[in-house]
Parts: sequence; C-alpha cells; structure tokens
Amino acid sequence: DADVTQTPRNRITKTGKRIMLECSQTKGHDRMYWYRQDPGLGLRLIYYSFDVKDINKGEISDGYSVSRQAQAKFSLSLESAIPNQTALYFCATSETGLGEQYFGPGTRLTVT
Amino acid sequence: AQSVAQPEDQVNVAEGNPLTVKCTYSVSGNPYLFWYVQYPNRGLQFLLKYITGDNLVKGSYGFEAEFNKSQTSFHLKKPSALVSDSALYFCAVRVPFYNQGGKLIFGQGTELSVKP
Repeated sequence: DADVTQTPRNRITKTGKRIMLECSQTKGHDRMYWYRQDPGLGLRLIYYSFDVKDINKGEISDGYSVSRQAQAKFSLSLESAIPNQTALYFCATSETGLGEQYFGPGTRLTVT
Repeated sequence: AQSVAQPEDQVNVAEGNPLTVKCTYSVSGNPYLFWYVQYPNRGLQFLLKYITGDNLVKGSYGFEAEFNKSQTSFHLKKPSALVSDSALYFCAVRVPFYNQGGKLIFGQGTELSVKP
C-alpha cells in the first residue's frame, strides 16, 4: 500500500552493527506496528504504538527498540544485529482496534 | 491460548475451478478474523474481515470467507480461480485488547498456485 512506506527496502549488514528501519504513513492512523516475517512462521509482532507517547512490546521484542517520532513515523532499531534477525520486516497501521491493518512493502534484512 | 492454523502449506487449483484456503482459530471471546494476501516482493494486502453479522463475508477480488463458529473455522473461498490469484495467503485473528493491544496473530500462510 503506497500510503505506508518503508526504507530501506533491502539491507545487508554485518553482525554487531546498528541498523534502523524506518516507516512513514500518510493514512493519518494513530496505531502503528512492527512485525517480522519468517518462512513457515507467519508474522510476529515486535512492537506497537497507539500514539506518540504510547509504545509497547510485542511478543518478540528482545534485541529490538523503537521510536515514534511523530504520528506518521515509527522506526525500528537493531542495536547490535545478529544473524537470526535476518527476516522480512513489515510496518503496519490501523485506524481503530477492530479495523484492518495496512502494511508497508517490507524491508528485507540480511545479517551476515 | 490464541492461535491460528492454516493446515495446508500449498493449494493447487486449475484456473476456472473453485478454490478454498482453510483456516481454523482458537481465541477467547468473540473472534475478529481477517484474510490477507501477499504477492511477491509486496506487503500484505487486506482481503476481508469478519467482526459480526452474516457468516458469509465478501471481500476484494471476488473472494469470500465463511465463518463457522461451531467448527472454529474461517475458510477463504472463490468460485472461479484466476492465475493472477497465485500468491501467499494469511489468515489472522485479533486477540482481546487487553492482550498486547489487540494484536493480530497470523497463521503460517498458504501458498496458492493457480495453473492455466
């Protein structure tokens, strides 16, 4: 969905490096999410935010941190990347708790 | 515990034939169910959702899904498959709000392949 953008789209980094993945949305939604996708495991929630002052851990937050710089921006950081963080990362937004989530195109991250 | 299962890793269908992608769920309280589709190198696209009401839900691209409370299922269906329907399909359930803000729990995905 073009309303949710992610940068970079692809990234290769080395073990121990710090990396930031960025997400921006023009949908005006308060709720934003970060997921990672691994083959055969579906998507798993890393962090979520209901507004700029409200950030919460998801089911697999260890090794990750986030920053909600504005309503429209939600960044995911890997402070010290490790190979098992190699995955496809998605940002998503939603308007309400019962509404569907809108996903960005994803960032393919490889940690060597 | 909340969970979603998609029992088939892959579904193969001939173009023009009906298709079904299966999904079963386990959730406390009322289930809020979703189907998403993922095309190669793309994000997930919303297809349809069940919140309440009619058990047959109609969505995008001619897809529909049937909610069956007694069987805890939410199977995705289409009367006539197209080659362009070939993609990865995810079923998801929203957990109660008090559990991590009502996050979505996804199934592992089903690869749909439609042959001409």
